[in-house]
Amino acid sequence: AQSVTQLGSHVSVSEGALVLLRCNYSSSVPPYLFWYVQYPNQGLQLLLKYTTGATLVKGINGFEAEFKKSETSFHLTKPSAHMSDAAEYFCAVSVDTGRRALTFGSGTRLQVQP
Amino acid sequence: ETGVTQTPRHLVMGMTNKKSLKCEQHLGHNAMYWYKQSAKKPLELMFVYNFKEQTENNSVPSRFSPECPNSSHLFLHLHTLQPEDSALYLCASSQMVGSTTDTQYFGPGTRLTVL
Repeated sequence: AQSVTQLGSHVSVSEGALVLLRCNYSSSVPPYLFWYVQYPNQGLQLLLKYTTGATLVKGINGFEAEFKKSETSFHLTKPSAHMSDAAEYFCAVSVDTGRRALTFGSGTRLQVQP
Repeated sequence: ETGVTQTPRHLVMGMTNKKSLKCEQHLGHNAMYWYKQSAKKPLELMFVYNFKEQTENNSVPSRFSPECPNSSHLFLHLHTLQPEDSALYLCASSQMVGSTTDTQYFGPGTRLTVL
């Protein structure tokens, strides 16, 4: 079975500072990895995904994530935080079992201070 | 986000009421999902439908009854709920369960409060 751990339920950064949201996964088979963002009173929006190929994945709104198999990690980064980035971020994993349901982490709430 | 719509956006119901949540996707997908998002808990997968057939029921209590009349519509029928069922219910759709690069797209959710 797969699982996802997001370190830090709350992260606070200053506007313009680096954003780093951590995600570690557990899977016995090669995973597909996703980051979703949820703004208040909205559903989840896909930020980026890793399936195969290049391990550095670029997404929307300037975010990117790097798949590191040796570290079983898929951390999300953005060089410079913007006030509009304040939201909750979810890491998710699915594996190629034909079932392909997503397993989500518990989420990280990002606060951006002016 | 307009690819997957959910109605109503907010619902308050008593424990003896019967209500239904509706989800519609305009993306041409064949798989649809119900998730429950409770405070301080990870998103929980409830049901999965692939080409209108239920492929997964994640040990959901029978007071939640899903219905998928076609690949574009998904319902969640609710009856005799408990206060702990209060949560945000999210619908998602994807091209097809099991496809190589399947990606799920979510609706805005229905905020359910059970009194």
